[in-house]
Amino acid sequence: DGGITQSPKYLFRKEGQNVTLSCEQNLNHDAMYWYRQDPGQGLRLIYYSQIVNDFQKGDIAEGYSVSREKKESFPLTVTSAQKNPTAFYLCASSTGRTGELFFGEGSRLTVL
Amino acid sequence: KNQVEQSPQSLIILEGKNCTLQCNYTVSPFSNLRWYKQDTGRGPVSLTIMTFSENTKSNGRYTATLDADTKQSSLHITASQLSDSASYICVVTPNDYKLSFGAGTTVTVRA
Repeated sequence: DGGITQSPKYLFRKEGQNVTLSCEQNLNHDAMYWYRQDPGQGLRLIYYSQIVNDFQKGDIAEGYSVSREKKESFPLTVTSAQKNPTAFYLCASSTGRTGELFFGEGSRLTVL
Repeated sequence: KNQVEQSPQSLIILEGKNCTLQCNYTVSPFSNLRWYKQDTGRGPVSLTIMTFSENTKSNGRYTATLDADTKQSSLHITASQLSDSASYICVVTPNDYKLSFGAGTTVTVRA
């Protein structure tokens, strides 16, 4: 079935460690996104990519990094520079700027 | 300041009853307005998507309305079911890739 796969579902990290969240899609979508969701707040954009080998910072990019070497994959690295990384992370993809947004099931990161 | 405001923040309804969720936005210009349903611990799933020229869009028991003049949208749930318990998120698409998300309305349906 077509869709977006995020892994891992749950992740625990010690302070000072970098972690990478995986996002893979087989929908043949050009655009991919990473969002962060915190209780009581709307989703906030971390990074987005309109096309392979290109990505743009969103509203809260500090402490995060991404790559887009393949159309299907858009991994997110949460670095030790991110001051408050505990959150629910959502990956999404779309055919373009106004296309329907399809989300993965999310990854919950907890810093111990 | 968030450009998409949703109300109420949460509500509880009895199974079989109707309810209406509100979304006010200041994003301008915008391409479309979307409503998503998000179950606890899951990713959001699209319910409806409307362009600025559309007034209403239905998806089963879900009906969304849009008034582009007043910058208001609503989502009406008819004959609620226990499976409707979720967070409902209003999303406005501007003329770039940075969508504006509301904080959501949490709906709890009780038997």
